[in-house]
Parts: sequence; C-alpha cells; structure tokens
Amino acid sequence: EAGVAQSPRYKIIEKRQSVAFWCNPISGHATLYWYQQILGQGPKLLIQFQNNGVVDDSQLPKDRFSAERLKGVDSTLKIQPAKLEDSAVYLCASSLDGGGGPQETQYFGPGTRLLVL
Amino acid sequence: GENVEQHPSTLSVQEGDSAVIKCTYSDSASNYFPWYKQELGKRPQLIIDIRSNVGEKKDQRIAVTLNKTAKHFSLHITETQPEDSAVYFCAASKGLYGNKLVFGAGTILRVKS
Repeated sequence: EAGVAQSPRYKIIEKRQSVAFWCNPISGHATLYWYQQILGQGPKLLIQFQNNGVVDDSQLPKDRFSAERLKGVDSTLKIQPAKLEDSAVYLCASSLDGGGGPQETQYFGPGTRLLVL
Repeated sequence: GENVEQHPSTLSVQEGDSAVIKCTYSDSASNYFPWYKQELGKRPQLIIDIRSNVGEKKDQRIAVTLNKTAKHFSLHITETQPEDSAVYFCAASKGLYGNKLVFGAGTILRVKS
C-alpha cells in the first residue's frame, strides 16, 4: 500500500514569513497526526485529527500555527509568522483509527525539514 | 501528562553483541508501547510494539519487555548488525480514543563492525 505522502520535503524561509506543509495519509486511515521533531529530540504531537475533527491540539502554538483537514483526507499545517525556534522536521502520521485497538499503529511520512533563518 | 524518559542517549556495541535500551513512563494508565527506528534523514518506522496485557514480545532478533509495576519497558536487539545503526525511540500511549503517543528523546545506536 502507498505510504503517507508529504510535501515539500525541504523548506527554507526567513523569520516572520509564512509556510505551509501538506500531508496525504494512507488511504482509509481515519486519524491523522502532525508532529514536530526538533533535532536531537523525539517527535512531539502538535495536533491530531479524527476524520475532519480535532481530537487533540493542546500542544499546538495557536498564535502562529494552524491546521486543517477538510473532507477528512489530506491536511495542511501552516505557520505564520515563523520564528527561528520553529526550525524542525514536521512529520505527518496516520492510523486506521484512534480507538486504542490493534489498528492504532501510526505510520509516518518522510517529513518536511524546515529551516527558519 | 505523560512523561517518557529514555536511556542511554547513545550506545555503541560491537557487531554480534546485544543492545538494550530502556524507557520509563509516568502515567500508570498508559497501555500501549511502540518502538520506532529512524535512520538518518528518514521517517520513523515501527519495529515492534507491546500492550499492557503481555510482559514480553519477540520478533526475530528484536524483543520488548514490559514491567507495568515499575513502569518501564525495554528494547532488546540480539546479534546486532551494522544495519541496526539508527536512532531508536520509545513511546507510550493510553490507547484510548485519541491515542496520543508521547515519545522518549531517542537513543543513537552505533554497531561497529
């Protein structure tokens, strides 16, 4: 089966600019996750969608980050305005469901590497 | 909220030796514990997971053990090979609807040939 797709793979912007990332989950996967992975750290969940509804966005800096998942399939994550500390890899993942059963395995995309100058 | 600590941060072993990575978690309600392998510049990939209703799970050269009382779980890799070199992350989740994974900081494993 096709994996999680993300674009772009790399992005370099200056601080205060805006940037958007796109994710297409595995077909049929109801749950979509956006993670931020800072160099040398584990992924940190930013937001989780179940179909097109938000399940958890407690760690999303809502003053500058926004995300949407229209139609319950692909998703975009936006940063506006970007700060230096936003430099990281942004990983998208999906799972068949988020219900805690055997289908909860999360599959990750290749990530978007963001550098803010 | 949940906090996952992972150690060591780096681990070097000779090819053929065993490697052990340990994680502790804080929330006793967590019941799902996956391990991911991430090679340089690539996506994290699930290598093994365990649920709280079992104490050990094995898949060829990889095994995971779970001690719910002590709230720790470990990854064991036997007969290590150079291709095992990567960053390994543990994670914990309550497995409830919502299924938030909290990751450890990662362990850099180097297998020397």
